[in-house]
Amino acid sequence: EAGVVQSPRYKIIEKKQPVAFWCNPISGHNTLYWYRQNLGQGPELLIRYENEEAVDDSQLPKDRFSAERLKGVDSTLKIQPAELGDSAVYLCASSLDLQGATGELFFGEGSRLTVL
Amino acid sequence: GNSVTQMEGPVTLSEEAFLTINCTYTATGYPSLFWYVQYPGEGLQLLLKATKADDKGSNKGFEATYRKETTSFHLEKGSVQVSDSAVYFCALTGLYNNNDMRFGAGTRLTVKP
Repeated sequence: EAGVVQSPRYKIIEKKQPVAFWCNPISGHNTLYWYRQNLGQGPELLIRYENEEAVDDSQLPKDRFSAERLKGVDSTLKIQPAELGDSAVYLCASSLDLQGATGELFFGEGSRLTVL
Repeated sequence: GNSVTQMEGPVTLSEEAFLTINCTYTATGYPSLFWYVQYPGEGLQLLLKATKADDKGSNKGFEATYRKETTSFHLEKGSVQVSDSAVYFCALTGLYNNNDMRFGAGTRLTVKP
């Protein structure tokens, strides 16, 4: 079974440029997450989807970040314009939300963003 | 809100040494608790979990026991190997929302031959 696929793995851009990250979750997983992981820190949730609905986007900086999950499968996270402080690894994860499930997340390898 | 605090690293051990990485949590009710591991160049993956008090999660020689009285979920291994070198993250999900996963800052373990 294929895991969570993310692209690109690495991206270097200049500040004020836009950038987009793509995620394909594990087939059948209805919950999708975008996390940001700064160097030396744990992942911090940006947004969580249940199917195509964003159910928790309280930590998403909405002035420059946007996300979508059309048809409840693939998802895209966009930053426009990027700032120096956005340099981080952006992680996508998915899970199968069964009633009573205890929430194992499956992570992609991440997209490392460097803003110059 | 729910959160986890884990011991700061980095931790450096010799092969076959005993490992403990401390994790304590703050949560409403009784969350589910997890340890995730991130090997060099790879994504995070679940190492073990426990869903209720006194449960012991175990995998690959690692163990952690859900201690309600001390709100802890310390990770232990009796004899570490070089291949255990990785970053270890403690995490929890809320009682009423199993999809709200919160992570600790991570502890980097290096095992030397």
